[in-house]
Amino acid sequence: ETGVTQSPTHLIKTRGQQVTLRCSSQSGHNTVSWYQQALGQGPQFIFQYYREEENGRGNFPPRFSGLQFPNYSSELNVNALELDDSALYLCASSLGNLAGEQETQYFGPGTRLLVL
Amino acid sequence: AQSVSQHNHHVILSEAASLELGCNYSYGGTVNLFWYVQYPGQHLQLLLKYFSGDPLVKGIKGFEAEFIKSKFSFNLRKPSVQWSDTAEYFCAVIFSGSARQLTFGSGTQLTVLP
Repeated sequence: ETGVTQSPTHLIKTRGQQVTLRCSSQSGHNTVSWYQQALGQGPQFIFQYYREEENGRGNFPPRFSGLQFPNYSSELNVNALELDDSALYLCASSLGNLAGEQETQYFGPGTRLLVL
Repeated sequence: AQSVSQHNHHVILSEAASLELGCNYSYGGTVNLFWYVQYPGQHLQLLLKYFSGDPLVKGIKGFEAEFIKSKFSFNLRKPSVQWSDTAEYFCAVIFSGSARQLTFGSGTQLTVLP
């Protein structure tokens, strides 16, 4: 167990709807990263939040947005859902700093989203 | 674009066989290297990591990996696999200047036959 929790565990939505996924980071961690894992593929980086600010974004459209709260928990919002958004969404927390990259990300169990 | 390649999509071994899973990345700068494992029905877990120093790193459950800078490789090894090692294994890299994001390979599904 990493101490990273995500909710909900499973979700079914229809095309065009909006969804919010939640992540609680491990105690003491200030950075949350979100990844999308399609079936049979490795996780793809969506974006990262460091101390409530976005600190990098992958190749995802603007309808993927996020938020980090003062307690370092985070939300991932997806608007106008498409069928291809069906995937496992992973949250990872870490203790980061802007001075370097030697940090380790610890993953939560994920939220499995199915878009019909 | 910076990328990570895992050569074997699916590996099948018998118990007690030795394991080596390949991982290569396409970047000549500073990298931080990781292997994660995903057991059936469980979340991604860290097996081992390399930041600097001794290029041979040891992880949990008897796994080790060797960083060979000249070959841009970070192969995972285990001398003798067990049935419980059946899982999907992911190599991941943080490239210098990449906002600390992990770039993952496509994964290798390991099946160990009892």
